[in-house]
Order: sequence, then C-alpha cells, then structure tokens
Amino acid sequence: QSALTQPASVSGSPGQSITISCTGISSDVGDYSYVSWYQQHPGKAPKLMIYDVNSRPSGVSNRFSGSKSGNTASLTISGLQAEDEANYYCSSYINSNTGVFGGGTKLTVL
Amino acid sequence: QVQLQESGPGLVKPSGTLSLTCTVSGGSISSSYWWSWVRQPPGKGLEWIGEIYHTGSTNFNPSLKSRVTISIDKSKNQFSLNMSSVTAADTAVYYCAREYYSNGRQWGYWGQGTLVIVSS
Repeated sequence: QSALTQPASVSGSPGQSITISCTGISSDVGDYSYVSWYQQHPGKAPKLMIYDVNSRPSGVSNRFSGSKSGNTASLTISGLQAEDEANYYCSSYINSNTGVFGGGTKLTVL
Repeated sequence: QVQLQESGPGLVKPSGTLSLTCTVSGGSISSSYWWSWVRQPPGKGLEWIGEIYHTGSTNFNPSLKSRVTISIDKSKNQFSLNMSSVTAADTAVYYCAREYYSNGRQWGYWGQGTLVIVSS
C-alpha cells in the first residue's frame, strides 16, 4: 500500500497556527474515520496526539485539533510553542487489514 | 498504565534473522487489543510491520509479509518479531505498540524503541 502524502516541512512563528495535511485515497482516509496523528521528538517514540480524526487523548493540549475532508485529513496546531517543534506523522486504517503512515512532516517553530 | 519494552540483539548479520521481544507490563496481553511492530530507518519515516491479536491472528505489511512472523507468549505477557533474510535496508529503530482503544489501528502506547543494525 502507498504511504499517505504529507508536506515535507512546515513552519510558523510562536503564537501562530499551522496546518499539516495528509492526503490518501478513497480506500483509506476517504472511507474511514480512523485517522490518527503522532508527534515525534528526536530520539523519542511517537506520541499519539489525535485519534478518530478529531479526538484527543487525555493529557494532549487542546491546541491540537484534527479534521477531515474527502481524502485529506489535517492537523492544526494553534498558539504555536517552541516545544511543538517535532516531526508529525499521520496514519489511517485501510481496507485490507494493514496499517499505513504518512511520510512525515517536520515542523519548525521560527 | 500499560508499558511496553523492546529487547533483543542490537546487531544482526546480513542474511540472518532479526528477533525482538516486546514485554508488556501494567496490562494483560490477552486483552482485546492488537499488538503491533513499527520500524523507523535512521532519518526516515515510520513503517508499520505487522500485528497480532491474543488469539494468534496476525496481519502484515504486504511488502514484508514473506519475511516476517509475529508470535505471542501469554504466559510471559510478551509478543515477538522475527524477520528473516535481513539486509542493511532493515537497519532501523524497532518499536512495539498497542492500540489506544480496540479499533482502527491507532497506537496510543509505544515502547521506547530499540536500534537494530544489520552489518557484518
């Protein structure tokens, strides 16, 4: 299965909002509401930030939000903080009992 | 709180077999979750390898399916990954992970990861 498509990098200044897109096809992002987003700091394990397209696990800041339109899911981070600088990966359930990740997006806080 | 910990050799010879174990604490591996392996080559993105349910049912990434087996040991609360015929391209940090809840392959619990280098 092909990886989901994410921009290689995004950047923003502290306090601003940024959005990271995750584009799939109709048999993954388009068909299911099991889209998740992960934050990964260098040398650390991924951390679940969003699940079920727009739900936050307990303890995750409400500055992080998710949405989906058609075959594209999005992660929005509002009120950017220096600690948000990390790599972000999306993932989607697909219809053939396999898992797939996006290629990852490096977020730089200017 | 569920915790996962990977263990196994950090160096494997080319054409050999990579074997890793994930030990689960703070919860039972017999609970209704899928348990996964995910890897990340140095400087690259995440790749899902496969998963196992407590019944022994498995699913695999089609690109790795011919070389991968995943097994479960309920008595030790562990699950394991075996990958055969490894090459340098299999050098990566290997993570074990569990679903956040029982649906959708959304991983809420991760081990710290273990680096496996394939080299002679």
